[in-house]
Amino acid sequence: QIQLVQSGPELKKPGESVKISCKASGYTFTDYAMHWVKQAPGKGLKWMGWINTYTGKPTYADDFKGRFVFSLEASASTANLQISNLKNEDTATYFCARAGWDYVMDAWGQGASVTVSS
Amino acid sequence: ETTVTQSPASLSMAVGEKVSISCKTSTDIDDDMNWYQQKSGEAPKLLISEGNTLRPGVPSRFSSSGYGTDFVFTINNVLLGDEGIYYCQQSDNVLTFGSGTKLEIK
Repeated sequence: QIQLVQSGPELKKPGESVKISCKASGYTFTDYAMHWVKQAPGKGLKWMGWINTYTGKPTYADDFKGRFVFSLEASASTANLQISNLKNEDTATYFCARAGWDYVMDAWGQGASVTVSS
Repeated sequence: ETTVTQSPASLSMAVGEKVSISCKTSTDIDDDMNWYQQKSGEAPKLLISEGNTLRPGVPSRFSSSGYGTDFVFTINNVLLGDEGIYYCQQSDNVLTFGSGTKLEIK
């Protein structure tokens, strides 16, 4: 069955970097885009952008340009999210989600928690 | 960018009642609206996709309607297991989510 398995929780200090992975299985990785969604504690869902798993081209939502990088390890069917120069407001759960070319997110990872605290 | 305004923010319903959630968009998005359920501590789950299409395995108690800028999500005969937060999300242009509706079952 289709599965997206994300890496474990992270505790970081302000200014550090973090890399979250999302390993896909149960389908052809390059047939679907991978999207990233942020959920701050007690808050709603915020779309961060997506990466074309066929070409590797990332697209970032306006609020996530600069410190956020989407990348792939296509041979391992894995998408990654790297956040640099972490700030307290980056404390959140980050979800990866598979989407067809219609941008409908039909399968989600379990979420990866990132806590930024000095 | 299309803004999505979701209401109400919360609902408290009894088992068997009918739930209605509204989402209004700031631009015409045809029928490119999707609906998700998020239970406590879990990832969101896609219930209904563009064109008011019920996803496989989702009970027919869940439905949606709407086109253009006004959309409604409905749960008929709500059950205790339907507790959670429901989000609408438009997929016509830069993806945006509604603010969520927290559903409590009394």
